[in-house]
Amino acid sequence: EDKVVQSPLSLVVHEGDTVTLNCSYEVTNFRSLLWYKQEKKAPTFLFMLTSSGIEKKSGRLSSILDKKELFSILNITATQTGDSAVYLCAVVGGSNYKLTFGKGTLLTVNP
Amino acid sequence: GAGVSQSPSNKVTEKGKDVELRCDPISGHTALYWYRQSLGQGLEFLIYFQGNSAPDKSGLPSDRFSAERTGGSVSTLTIQRTQQEDSAVYLCASSLAGGFGGTDTQYFGPGTRLTVL
Repeated sequence: EDKVVQSPLSLVVHEGDTVTLNCSYEVTNFRSLLWYKQEKKAPTFLFMLTSSGIEKKSGRLSSILDKKELFSILNITATQTGDSAVYLCAVVGGSNYKLTFGKGTLLTVNP
Repeated sequence: GAGVSQSPSNKVTEKGKDVELRCDPISGHTALYWYRQSLGQGLEFLIYFQGNSAPDKSGLPSDRFSAERTGGSVSTLTIQRTQQEDSAVYLCASSLAGGFGGTDTQYFGPGTRLTVL
């Protein structure tokens, strides 16, 4: 059974801090790893990673995948209060479509 | 439409009643998915549609749960004889093509929060 573990489960930082969120996985026939941001409602897509060592970047957010060690990290630099959310990591395995999610990391950014 | 929409946004029902949850995917997306998010749990896969067919219903928790999709668009998730443990947020997602290579991004709707009293 596919498994995704995120750490930490929660994190409180001050505006301007840099944070690193972790995601480790066990999956049969890995296809892709995705990061989503969930505020009150819909998880919004951040990144899809399929290849090791290639950093994906969007503004202050970046992510990288290590397929040998089976983990990914999501970095947020110069955090803002608007970054407060649950960050979800999910993987797609042999099914080619089913997302298996971790329990998420609750990030709180205080002013 | 611009994104995935779901209705109702909130539903409160009494134990034993049937409920229907609706999902409108992004226009042109052939694949549609239902997930459930319970308190303290991650999102759990329920069912996957490719067009109007459901090749994978493996996540449906019991035979009280069913789903259909018509016209390759709107989907309805039906829960019969609701139980308190059915209380959760039910999220729908859609993607352009579905199960081809596992690199098709799923976009989520805002969910329906179901509360069974």
